Amino acid sequence: NAGVTQTPKFQVLKTGQSMTLQCAQDMNHEYMSWYRQDPGMGLRLIHYSVGAGITDQGEVPNGYNVSRSTTEDFPLRLLSAAPSQTSVYFCASTSGGPPYEQYFGPGTRLTVT
Amino acid sequence: GEDVEQSLFLSVREGDSSVINCTYTDSSSTYLYWYKQEPGAGLQLLTYIFSNMDMKQDQRLTVLLNKKDKHLSLRIADTQTGDSAIYFCAERDTGTASKLTFGTGTRLQVTL
Repeated sequence: NAGVTQTPKFQVLKTGQSMTLQCAQDMNHEYMSWYRQDPGMGLRLIHYSVGAGITDQGEVPNGYNVSRSTTEDFPLRLLSAAPSQTSVYFCASTSGGPPYEQYFGPGTRLTVT
Repeated sequence: GEDVEQSLFLSVREGDSSVINCTYTDSSSTYLYWYKQEPGAGLQLLTYIFSNMDMKQDQRLTVLLNKKDKHLSLRIADTQTGDSAIYFCAERDTGTASKLTFGTGTRLQVTL
């Protein structure tokens, strides 16, 4: 099993550009999430999904869109990048039974200039 | 909403015990977790405790839960240089299985 994979590992965008961060998991997990990690702020939930076709907003959803057309994939789209979106982005999938362990991808480091 | 607090930094000598503390506000938490993040990597689950337990031991790791004070701690015995990392506590409420609330993370530095 590859677990949770994310691409790209690094990305630099100019303000106003759009892009999609890819996330895939091969564990057949229903639950998937996107977080951003900023210094001194821990991880903050952007969007999450409880299954294919179902998504919902987390704590900091503005400026991001998600979709979940398959169980495996959960892409995160930045519609019009802003410097405030400079961060490290983590995708995670959650096992369906106790203790509901979250498995994290290696992260995407995004810089918006 | 839920809030999870941690101190930002802890420095210990190799061989000593480390104690990382966390406080949370959500009394309906079901599971509480400790995750470890090494430089440039994602988070990995270290251990967890169910909310009806007071203590859990797993080799060098001991988790203590004080539900009355909403206080969680992680003790690492015989701390090694390989334990240097950022440690996050996180809580899961009874609502959505996919939502964890993370603390700000404690950076553990192990010195020789």
